[in-house]
Amino acid sequence: ETGVTQSPTHLIKTRGQQVTLRCSSQSGHNTVSWYQQALGQGPQFIFQYYREEENGRGNFPPRFSGLQFPNYSSELNVNALELDDSALYLCASSKPDRGWNSPLHFGNGTRLTVT
Amino acid sequence: RKEVEQDPGPFNVPEGATVAFNCTYSNSASQSFFWYRQDCRKEPKLLMSVYSSGNEDGRFTAQLNRASQYISLLIRDSKLSDSATYLCVVPAQGGKLIFGQGTELSVKP
Repeated sequence: ETGVTQSPTHLIKTRGQQVTLRCSSQSGHNTVSWYQQALGQGPQFIFQYYREEENGRGNFPPRFSGLQFPNYSSELNVNALELDDSALYLCASSKPDRGWNSPLHFGNGTRLTVT
Repeated sequence: RKEVEQDPGPFNVPEGATVAFNCTYSNSASQSFFWYRQDCRKEPKLLMSVYSSGNEDGRFTAQLNRASQYISLLIRDSKLSDSATYLCVVPAQGGKLIFGQGTELSVKP
């Protein structure tokens, strides 16, 4: 069974630039969620995708957008990067057999630094 | 009140000690809960799920008190390898998991 994989593992960008982060979900999982984790904090929900459509969104501005592809892989795009966007970005997949009570399986994350 | 609130850490305990972490949540409609473990600079990993009054898995026991909207995690006979941050997690609608800020545990020889 293949786990959740994310790329790249580390990234350095300049304020104002755009970034795309990628995620391949665990085999058999059709739901992908993205979380942002700032240093010393718990992960914060960005959004979730199910069957290629956004299925829920947290309190993040529209410059955070995403896609899910037919193979259930996903992208997170962030435009107009700000210094506060520096964080660990976690992708998680799930098989919602318990609906919204399904536990998540996280990838290793992408550590984004904005300078 | 925060949606999920955990004991502030860090907890520094000797090997073999018993340690308990507390977590309170604000949404009384929540039906299930999770404890995740996160090692330094790694991704969170599911430790335990709690769907009824509690759950036990070896040295780890999770208890749920719905009336008080309170969840606890008890670790018995602490090992050096238990050193990590423990995250209390409450599912919400829209596929969202709400994480507490985490409680850091450091087990010393």
